[in-house]
Amino acid sequence: AQRVTQPEKLLSVFKGAPVELKCNYSYSGSPELFWYVQYSRQRLQLLLRHISRESIKGFTADLNKGETSFHLKKPFAQEEDSAMYYCALTGGFKTIFGAGTRLFVKA
Amino acid sequence: GAVVSQHPSWVICKSGTSVKIECRSLDFQATTMFWYRQFPKQSLMLMATSNEGSKATYEQGVEKDKFLINHASLTLSTLTVTSAHPEDSSFYICSARVGGLAKNIQYFGAGTRLSVL
Repeated sequence: AQRVTQPEKLLSVFKGAPVELKCNYSYSGSPELFWYVQYSRQRLQLLLRHISRESIKGFTADLNKGETSFHLKKPFAQEEDSAMYYCALTGGFKTIFGAGTRLFVKA
Repeated sequence: GAVVSQHPSWVICKSGTSVKIECRSLDFQATTMFWYRQFPKQSLMLMATSNEGSKATYEQGVEKDKFLINHASLTLSTLTVTSAHPEDSSFYICSARVGGLAKNIQYFGAGTRLSVL
């Protein structure tokens, strides 16, 4: 069965501190992993996908198949990073989302 | 980037009435659209997958007769909540999937807040 787990509901860090949002998944095949972000009063939007292997807004995420993880990282958090972050997995024709982690970056 | 328009953004209706929500891809053709439901402070729950020209595929536990989905064209999918009741009050979000190299990326509508009195 497909499952995406984001263990932290809320993550609070100070501006300039490193941040890591955890995501673990369960899937029997080869999934495609994504991070979506929802800023206040905005719609959900793609942040990055694992096959692109790129850095967006300073965020990176590496797919670790051994640990079935796709953690989102940023070395220096900014206040504008405060948002709701969802890890998502696409397997076959279906995409499922984790419960989400709210990141709060304090000044 | 791809834009998905969802309408209305907020609707209030009386119990027993039906409500239709539209989801349009404005600048691309979407062969597949998705409908999600989101409860307060919870994640998105996939309700159904809508493919153009064919019947929607509903997730387990979602009543197909209650949540009617029509995907008549490559740019429009509609969700009709029939005989709505207060427990149907929720935030409904649609998304559309782009084809090609970005085939699994989803673009989301802004959502529709349904309040059933």
